[in-house]
Amino acid sequence: NAGVTQTPKFQVLKTGQSMTLQCAQDMNHNSMYWYRQDPGMGLRLIYYSASEGTTDKGEVPNGYNVSRLNKREFSLRLESAAPSQTSVYFCASSEGQGGYGYTFGSGTRLTVV
Amino acid sequence: TQLLEQSPQFLSIQEGENLTVYCNSSSVFSSLQWYRQEPGEGPVLLVTVVTGGEVKKLKRLTFQFGDARKDSSLHITAAQPGDTGLYLCAGLNLRDDKIIFGKGTRLHILP
Repeated sequence: NAGVTQTPKFQVLKTGQSMTLQCAQDMNHNSMYWYRQDPGMGLRLIYYSASEGTTDKGEVPNGYNVSRLNKREFSLRLESAAPSQTSVYFCASSEGQGGYGYTFGSGTRLTVV
Repeated sequence: TQLLEQSPQFLSIQEGENLTVYCNSSSVFSSLQWYRQEPGEGPVLLVTVVTGGEVKKLKRLTFQFGDARKDSSLHITAAQPGDTGLYLCAGLNLRDDKIIFGKGTRLHILP
């Protein structure tokens, strides 16, 4: 029972480099989410996908793009990384709008130098 | 801006003591969840409450949803070191069907 799988676990980037964070879920959930977690700021929603083929901006979308590749996979891309994007990134999935709770991945710790 | 305020922000108590942490808002929620997050891991769902006044128990943890569905509490009886972690509440806002998270209570249980 894998749940939500994120890769990589850790990443260091130089300013201006690009990378894609991968996320896959095996629970047949319709909705998937990308959050970032920073000290004192809590969890902030970057982008979400309510169903395969749709994506919407969350609270802090600038500097990011997403792709809902299929029902299982939802990737987050940083085109030109900035130090302000140093954070821990979590992918999550839910059935419906999340009113009965999310299943989170174990996170990607990203440092941009 | 919709907010879920959690209090206290930090709590450090001795093993065996009881504690209560709170999650408050001026908004009404369709449902409210509690999560526990350990260092280096993602949040793990503990419980979802959906009915005003609802009480759910999970071993030594008791969760209550306020009658007006604007607030919730988590009570831990006889805290143990394994209860250490960041406790997050999250609510599905009735008005716009969006989930919002509180910033969490960081709990440390001293052996």
